[in-house]
Amino acid sequence: EAQVTQNPRYLITVTGKKLTVTCSQNMNHEYMSWYRQDPGLGLRQIYYSMNVEVTDKGDVPEGYKVSRKEKRNFPLILESPSPNQTSLYFCASSPTALYGYTFGSGTRLTVV
Amino acid sequence: QQPVQSPQAVILREGEDAVINCSSSKALYSVHWYRQKHGEAPVFLMILLKGGEQKGHEKISASFNEKKQQSSLYLTASQLSYSGTYFCGTAGGNEKLTFGTGTRLTIIP
Repeated sequence: EAQVTQNPRYLITVTGKKLTVTCSQNMNHEYMSWYRQDPGLGLRQIYYSMNVEVTDKGDVPEGYKVSRKEKRNFPLILESPSPNQTSLYFCASSPTALYGYTFGSGTRLTVV
Repeated sequence: QQPVQSPQAVILREGEDAVINCSSSKALYSVHWYRQKHGEAPVFLMILLKGGEQKGHEKISASFNEKKQQSSLYLTASQLSYSGTYFCGTAGGNEKLTFGTGTRLTIIP
């Protein structure tokens, strides 16, 4: 089944403890992206990647890192999480810029 | 900069029509439309490319006016399954897709 898989689905962590949210797609898509969703603010792009080793900042990249060493994987790294990073995170992928994104199921992160 | 969606919320009776608007302050190459049901991930509906085309998807269609930097989503004879939050996403030519804040659509029997 074609899908984007995120892990974990839920995560509660403490301020400052490094964490990684994984994202993997099995559709051989070139484009991948991370979004965070907060009430009233819609989906805001954190980082996106156009291909292996090619990444760029979205609208809210502060406090996040990404890497794209393999085409299928696009992990999101929070080096020192803070409470304002409590949010619902979505990973998405697309074949090219002319196609819609397929979203993962989301990761609900709480930083206390 | 996020595109502006209107209205923010709308309540319809089953069978009624709805229009959701999306407006951007910058030149657009493409507009995406997605629907998100409560507790689920957004689902892609359609993409419109520069050229002013109109696309259809069952009873849901959309138009794109790149000169006005606007797009509209049309839901005809709405069904209960149409309920959810609709997001437009705009792109200026690269892969940076910026979403609006959403329009919550509630369909009542």
